[in-house]
Amino acid sequence: SQKIEQNSEALNIQEGKTATLTCNYTNYSPAYLQWYRQDPGRGPVFLLLIRENEKEKRKERLKVTFDTTLKQSLFHITASQPADSATYLCVGTGGFKTIFGAGTRLFVKA
Amino acid sequence: EPEVTQTPSHQVTQMGQEVILRCVPISNHLYFYWYRQILGQKVEFLVSFYNNEISEKSEIFDDQFSVERPDGSNFTLKIRSTKLEDSAMYFCASRGQGGQNYGYTFGSGTRLTVV
Repeated sequence: SQKIEQNSEALNIQEGKTATLTCNYTNYSPAYLQWYRQDPGRGPVFLLLIRENEKEKRKERLKVTFDTTLKQSLFHITASQPADSATYLCVGTGGFKTIFGAGTRLFVKA
Repeated sequence: EPEVTQTPSHQVTQMGQEVILRCVPISNHLYFYWYRQILGQKVEFLVSFYNNEISEKSEIFDDQFSVERPDGSNFTLKIRSTKLEDSAMYFCASRGQGGQNYGYTFGSGTRLTVV
């Protein structure tokens, strides 16, 4: 079946370090991948979108890569801050079909 | 910044009752969606809506569910005869014409509790 998989274990890092979150997809060829932030009890908030013909995209402290050979996207937060603590969702879209990953919880310690 | 507005924020209903969840998408957006998230689980797609009709629906979106855009601004999700397992956060989302360049804008959700 088509899947978007993210690390289910929480990621704990120290403030100021770079957080790297991984998203893998199987049996699926998304035309683009999106990354969202979700805080408890709230709706997802859009962060970045990268298309299959793009290798990398940046926005302020955020960077996302898309490797169609590895079937993987990496999401980086540089100079992380405690306010970056949240769950980050990887979302794949191909045609009209959109699949959400389960999310990775990030904790940034001061 | 434009927002997607959902009401109510929390709805408690008895099993078997009908509920209507309401959403006001961003005014110039053309694509509308309903998602649900059961507590502690991943976000699941329910239905997409474009040009006044359903463009895709998931296997979750069975005959007990329906969507409407009654007046050009509201977008509603009706659950006809609620079951305990329908308890979840329901999120409405919308996106604009250049959809492939932009993500979805989600509302804050309606927490539905079926008792």
